[in-house]
Amino acid sequence: DGGITQSPKYLFRKEGQNVTLSCEQNLNHDAMYWYRQDPGQGLRLIYYSQIVNDFQKGDIAEGYSVSREKKESFPLTVTSAQKNPTAFYLCASSIGIWGSGANVLTFGAGSRLTVL
Amino acid sequence: EDKVVQSPLSLVVHEGDTVTLNCSYEVTNFRSLLWYKQEKKAPTFLFMLTSSGIEKKSGRLSSILDKKELFSILNITATQTGDSAIYLCAVRGSFGNEKLTFGTGTRLTIIP
Repeated sequence: DGGITQSPKYLFRKEGQNVTLSCEQNLNHDAMYWYRQDPGQGLRLIYYSQIVNDFQKGDIAEGYSVSREKKESFPLTVTSAQKNPTAFYLCASSIGIWGSGANVLTFGAGSRLTVL
Repeated sequence: EDKVVQSPLSLVVHEGDTVTLNCSYEVTNFRSLLWYKQEKKAPTFLFMLTSSGIEKKSGRLSSILDKKELFSILNITATQTGDSAIYLCAVRGSFGNEKLTFGTGTRLTIIP
């Protein structure tokens, strides 16, 4: 079955450590996204990528980095520069950025990061 | 800056009741408005609305968009415990503003 796989589901880290969240899709989608979800704040866009080897900052990119070396993969690194990293992180994909196919995002099951 | 406001933030009703969830928005070059249901983790797609006045319907759920007044409603009739979830509204712009902007969501709880 096609879908998006995020790992790990739960992650704990100490302050000052970088951590990388994995996101893999087998939907053959060109566009991929990372969102952060905090209670009472909805989903906020961190980074998105329209195509391999290209990505753009979203609304809250500071303290995060991404790469897009393969179409299927869009890992997110939460660096020690991120002030409040404890959150639920959702990866998503869509057919593209442009056109009607861009409207519907398919989401992964998320990764919950807790900084101790 | 694009903005999506959902109300109420949370709602508790009894099974069988009808609920209406609201979503108002401000977005540059509006293209579409989407509703998602988030039960535990991954949001799942419900509806996409692009034209005013056209109702989208799926079983007990329906949604309508008012592009003049910049809002949408999501209606759920004869609610069931399985409808308990967070309902997210999102809007997408166009012409350089393609990103999806989400609201805070409405947490709906259905009491048996």
